[in-house]
Amino acid sequence: AQSVTQPDARVTVSEGASLQLRCKYSYSATPYLFWYVQYPRQGLQLLLKYYSGDPVVQGVNSFEAEFSKSNSSFHLQKASVHWSDSAVYFCALSIMDSNYQLIWGSGTKLIIKP
Amino acid sequence: GPKVLQIPSHQIIDMGQMVTLNCDPVSNHLYFYWYKQILGQQMEFLVNFYNGKVMEKSKLFKDQFSVERPDGSYFTLKIQPTALEDSAVYFCASSLDSQNTLYFGAGTRLSVL
Repeated sequence: AQSVTQPDARVTVSEGASLQLRCKYSYSATPYLFWYVQYPRQGLQLLLKYYSGDPVVQGVNSFEAEFSKSNSSFHLQKASVHWSDSAVYFCALSIMDSNYQLIWGSGTKLIIKP
Repeated sequence: GPKVLQIPSHQIIDMGQMVTLNCDPVSNHLYFYWYKQILGQQMEFLVNFYNGKVMEKSKLFKDQFSVERPDGSYFTLKIQPTALEDSAVYFCASSLDSQNTLYFGAGTRLSVL
């Protein structure tokens, strides 16, 4: 069965430090993968998406993610975090054979230390 | 960017009552979705809706659930009657087509007492 796993419920990093949020997926066909961010009291916003091609995709606010078919992963990265990056980050998988509905990870809460 | 509005942000009702959750999707979008997130758990797909019809629904979309978008107004999720296990945050989303980016609302927290 298809699934998305975000193994870290909570990640704390210092402002200015680099960041990696992990996402693993399980899906037998070619995945469409997404990272969404949810700021407090707001809807989820798309950060970036991967459909095909270059495995490194660039997103908004200097986020990027790297797709790895061999590792079944789609980790989110940022070279230098800012306090405003504090939010909950969700990884999601779109299933092509199911009307493109999204399967979600459980989310990772990112806390930025001053 | 485009915004999806959900009204109200929090609703408290007694078990057995009916509730309607309202979603104002992005104006030119054609596909509409509801997702359910129980506290501490993953967000899960409930249903998607296009051209006045339910396209696909999950096993979470019980018989007590219904969706509609009368005359291009709000996209609504109705639960009648509600049960305790319906307590969750319900997220509405819309997209231009089925392969396009989903835009989400901020969610409605439903508390069934």
